[in-house]
Amino acid sequence: DQQVKQNSPSLSVQEGRISILNCDYTNSMFDYFLWYKKYPAEGPTFLISISSIKDKNEDGRFTVFLNKSAKHLSLHIVPSQPGDSAVYFCAASTQGGSEKLVFGKGTKLTVNP
Amino acid sequence: GAVVSQHPSWVICKSGTSVKIECRSLDFQATTMFWYRQFPKQSLMLMATSNEGSKATYEQGVEKDKFLINHASLTLSTLTVTSAHPEDSSFYICSARDNYNYGYTFGSGTRLTVV
Repeated sequence: DQQVKQNSPSLSVQEGRISILNCDYTNSMFDYFLWYKKYPAEGPTFLISISSIKDKNEDGRFTVFLNKSAKHLSLHIVPSQPGDSAVYFCAASTQGGSEKLVFGKGTKLTVNP
Repeated sequence: GAVVSQHPSWVICKSGTSVKIECRSLDFQATTMFWYRQFPKQSLMLMATSNEGSKATYEQGVEKDKFLINHASLTLSTLTVTSAHPEDSSFYICSARDNYNYGYTFGSGTRLTVV
């Protein structure tokens, strides 16, 4: 059973517009969530995280929203840039992030110039 | 920032041989490191959790005799793929968890091709 789900395998957005990547989880014990960005043939790079005590965390163009009741989080990228084109992984952990990460399958974002 | 060096970045080996992949935390100590395998169009699958000074914890379905993990120091974990077969060809990624702030840092990955 997949505990972290990214139901959209791909997303295409125009440069300058907003990209919204979604992630759902089933394990109510998850209390720490992360987004990673991955280019082909490279390891994932940490983007942004959020603790379950918050519902929003912002870092520059990246904002993560957490809806605990719906067990849903989303990553907003505004404005989107062609260099943002990559695969984005949502990950979740328990015990404040001190336990192993459980990853979604990823969403491939393409930002068109 | 925290850096994890993974070596080699790519390797081609013959069936039946063994390949060792190294994962080093360069500027922090990591009692715990993680080894992932990525399949095309699929997520990163956790293979095992590597603990310094003790045996690794393998995920269900991962052959511990085939994927040998050694974590001899607070900055180095190794994954050895023994008696490699073409179906072992994949992208392997390590991650180290900082002892101080519990932050995760990923290595750049190793592309293994078994011919």
